[in-house]
Amino acid sequence: DQQVKQNSPSLSVQEGRISILNCDYTNSMFDYFLWYKKYPAEGPTFLISISSIKDKNEDGRFTVFLNKSAKHLSLHIVPSQPGDSAVYFCAARAAPTGNQFYFGTGTSLTVIP
Amino acid sequence: KAGVTQTPRYLIKTRGQQVTLSCSPISGHRSVSWYQQTPGQGLQFLFEYFSETQRNKGNFPGRFSGRQFSNSRSEMNVSTLELGDSALYLCASSPQSGANVLTFGAGSRLTVL
Repeated sequence: DQQVKQNSPSLSVQEGRISILNCDYTNSMFDYFLWYKKYPAEGPTFLISISSIKDKNEDGRFTVFLNKSAKHLSLHIVPSQPGDSAVYFCAARAAPTGNQFYFGTGTSLTVIP
Repeated sequence: KAGVTQTPRYLIKTRGQQVTLSCSPISGHRSVSWYQQTPGQGLQFLFEYFSETQRNKGNFPGRFSGRQFSNSRSEMNVSTLELGDSALYLCASSPQSGANVLTFGAGSRLTVL
């Protein structure tokens, strides 16, 4: 039972344009959400997070939006750069469950120069 | 500061064998979590250890086990390997359980023939 879903396995965007990666979840108990980026042969690296008490969080070129009523999360990257090409995973956690995060299946982003 | 170190990076086993994977967390981190990554399934939580005690366990059969040592290093073991156990096994550490960010290692790629 996949509680966190990323329905787009891949996305291609031109350099300089906006990349929008989407994530849906089913568990209303989730209260904390993260995005990780993964390059081949490396472990996932933390990108940005958001608590359920907020609906937006920004960090430089990266912004995460949370729509609790729709159980939907999105990551915006503006402007997209070729170095952003990677697999992006969204993850969610319901407190208090320690470090048990539920991950989506990932979206492979390709930024075309 | 050294990152999360996983060994071995790659290994090949045959069905029925067992395997032990090792994880050294970031110095000072006391929580170690293990995740399995397979194509189409994303990352799935296996278990978390904190202060040598298992805190949480995901929905995996008893063939998957783990332990943590007093220096916070952790091992996971898979017995009676099946073809479906072929995956990337990722270890993540954090200072405490219930942390907001996990730092992942590069993973151990297990192939079962």
